[in-house]
Amino acid sequence: GAGVSQSPSNKVTEKGKDVELRCDPISGHTALYWYRQRLGQGLEFLIYFQGNSAPDKSGLPSDRFSAERTGESVSTLTIQRTQQEDSAVYLCASSPQAGVGETQYFGPGTRLLVL
Amino acid sequence: KQEVTQIPAALSVPEGENLVLNCSFTDSAIYNLQWFRQDPGKGLTSLLLIQSSQREQTSGRLNASLDKSSGRSTLYIAASQPGDSATYLCAVRANAGGTSYGKLTFGQGTILTVHP
Repeated sequence: GAGVSQSPSNKVTEKGKDVELRCDPISGHTALYWYRQRLGQGLEFLIYFQGNSAPDKSGLPSDRFSAERTGESVSTLTIQRTQQEDSAVYLCASSPQAGVGETQYFGPGTRLLVL
Repeated sequence: KQEVTQIPAALSVPEGENLVLNCSFTDSAIYNLQWFRQDPGKGLTSLLLIQSSQREQTSGRLNASLDKSSGRSTLYIAASQPGDSATYLCAVRANAGGTSYGKLTFGQGTILTVHP
């Protein structure tokens, strides 16, 4: 079946603009996770959703970052007033449930470049 | 706060060599540890997952070990091939509790190049 998909695959924007990144999880997966990967770094946890609610937003780096999920399906990560340090690959993952024993399936990521 | 460190940051070897990638973590209260492979422009592929009660896992030419008490894991790749070239990421999962379900903490990765 289809895996996790993300769009756009690449995004170039100017400093100060807002961007929206989209994640389509595997159908039926109730848990969804967003991570950020800066150049040469490991993945940083941003936020996770169980259904449409976000029990853990602890990784969002500032109030310029927000995320929502609707219909227990698609999620959108929004970055307002982008800064150059926001340049990174943004990865989304989903799992059937949010339990510790659940495998997370990753999408290909959105590569964001802020000029 | 859990911190995961991977050594070396990059490794270049000739085809056929056996090699070891290292991962260390600061908090031994983990649920499991996972090794991933990341290819450019693609998502992460899970290679091996070791539960906290296990010592090692094997899959083909890959063997991962876990010493939870000392906060270390190694990924052993036998008879390396050019197709093994990728970034290898180590990640630990916190125990259940609070809102940390499913949260993974990643190392920065080891970039492996296997040349013919």
